[in-house]
Amino acid sequence: AQSVAQPEDQVNVAEGNPLTVKCTYSVSGNPYLFWYVQYPNRGLQFLLKYITGDNLVKGSYGFEAEFNKSQTSFHLKKPSALVSDSALYFCAVRDIGGAGSYQLTFGKGTKLSVIP
Amino acid sequence: GAVVSQHPSWVICKSGTSVKIECRSLDFQATTMFWYRQFPKQSLMLMATSNEGSKATYEQGVEKDKFLINHASLTLSTLTVTSAHPEDSSFYICSATGVEATQTQYFGPGTRLLVL
Repeated sequence: AQSVAQPEDQVNVAEGNPLTVKCTYSVSGNPYLFWYVQYPNRGLQFLLKYITGDNLVKGSYGFEAEFNKSQTSFHLKKPSALVSDSALYFCAVRDIGGAGSYQLTFGKGTKLSVIP
Repeated sequence: GAVVSQHPSWVICKSGTSVKIECRSLDFQATTMFWYRQFPKQSLMLMATSNEGSKATYEQGVEKDKFLINHASLTLSTLTVTSAHPEDSSFYICSATGVEATQTQYFGPGTRLLVL
């Protein structure tokens, strides 16, 4: 079975400072990893994904994430936070070749608040 | 690219009535569509997976006779909440994947259902 952990319910960061939103995962095979962002009363917007290749993945709005196989982590990062980055962030994993392999398993979400 | 729409965005109905929610992929053919339910301040709960022209696969605990899913074309899936009750009030989100190998899920903006 696959699972995702986002250990922080909330992350607060000052505008202009770097931000990190943590994610660890567990799969039996190889993972596809995703980050999505959700603004209030909206659906999820795709930010970035790791499939294979370079461990550092760059995505939308200046976000990036680093895949670390040994630590089974996929933390989301941004060098300089904006107030408009304040939202709910979800990490998700898909276990390639596992049962129900089309399905994503989501973390519980991390609320990011960027303080002006 | 990869835009998914949902209609309506908001619906209020009386207990006992049925409500239909549409999910459309606007610029790609969606081989698979997913329906999720999200409770306040919680993650997404997968309700069912549907492939075009096939019966939907429901997750454990989801009543298929209550939540009717139709995926009649490669760009449209519908979720009908039959005989809605106040406990069905929730935020319903659909997602769709196309033919790309990684099958990234792209999400609709969600539908807020309130059953009085």
